Amino acid sequence: EAGVAQSPRYKIIEKRQSVAFWCNPISGHATLYWYQQILGQGPKLLIQFQNNGVVDDSQLPKDRFSAERLKGVDSTLKIQPAKLEDSAVYLCASTLTGTANTGELFFGEGSRLTVL
Amino acid sequence: DAKTTQPPSMDCAEGRAANLPCNHSTISGNEYVYWYRQIHSQGPQYIIHGLKNNETNEMASLIITEDRKSSTLILPHATLRDTAVYYCIVRVVNQGGKLIFGQGTELSVKP
Repeated sequence: EAGVAQSPRYKIIEKRQSVAFWCNPISGHATLYWYQQILGQGPKLLIQFQNNGVVDDSQLPKDRFSAERLKGVDSTLKIQPAKLEDSAVYLCASTLTGTANTGELFFGEGSRLTVL
Repeated sequence: DAKTTQPPSMDCAEGRAANLPCNHSTISGNEYVYWYRQIHSQGPQYIIHGLKNNETNEMASLIITEDRKSSTLILPHATLRDTAVYYCIVRVVNQGGKLIFGQGTELSVKP
C-alpha cells in the first residue's frame, strides 16, 4: 500500500517569497491534516480537512498561510509571504475518518522549509 | 483537551525493556491514550492506543493505570532502531479525531 506522498522534500527560499507544498494522501482516506514541526518541538496542527471541507483551521495563520483540498484528494499548503519563523518541516497526514473512530493517522515524510 | 507530561529524555540498553512513562491527569472518560514515535527525519509513526485496558501489539505494550491518570509504553526488547522521539497523546475524540502533540520523550538506545 502506497503511503502519504509529499513534495518537495526540501525547499529554501528568502523571506517574503512564496512557497507551496503538495500532499497526496493514502487512497480512500477522507481526512487530511497539515502539521508544522519546528526544530526541537512536537508537530503542531495547522488545518484538518474532511473530504474537501475544512474541519478545523483555528491554528492556521490565515494572513499568510492557505490550504485547499480540491476534489477531496490531493491538498496544497501555501505560504505567502514567508517569514523567518516559518522555517520548519510541514507534515501531511491522512486517516480513514475524522469522526470519533479511533483510526490511526498515517504521516508523510514531510517537506522541510528553510527561510533565509 | 487534556495534556500530557513526559520526561524529555531517557536512555535504554540494547536488548533491555524500555519503559516510557506519561502523565495525563486531566484525561476525560471518553479520551484515548495514543503513542506515536518519530525517527529522525521521518514523519511520526503510530505505535499503539488504548482507552482503559492494557493493550499489546507486535511493536509494544501499553499499560494504563486504573484511574487512567498515567500510562507506560513498554518496548520489550529495545533495539538501536528504536532510538526516536516518543509522543504520548490524548485523543480529543469529540473534535474530529485530531492529535495534539506535546514535546515527547527522546529515547536513546545504546549498545
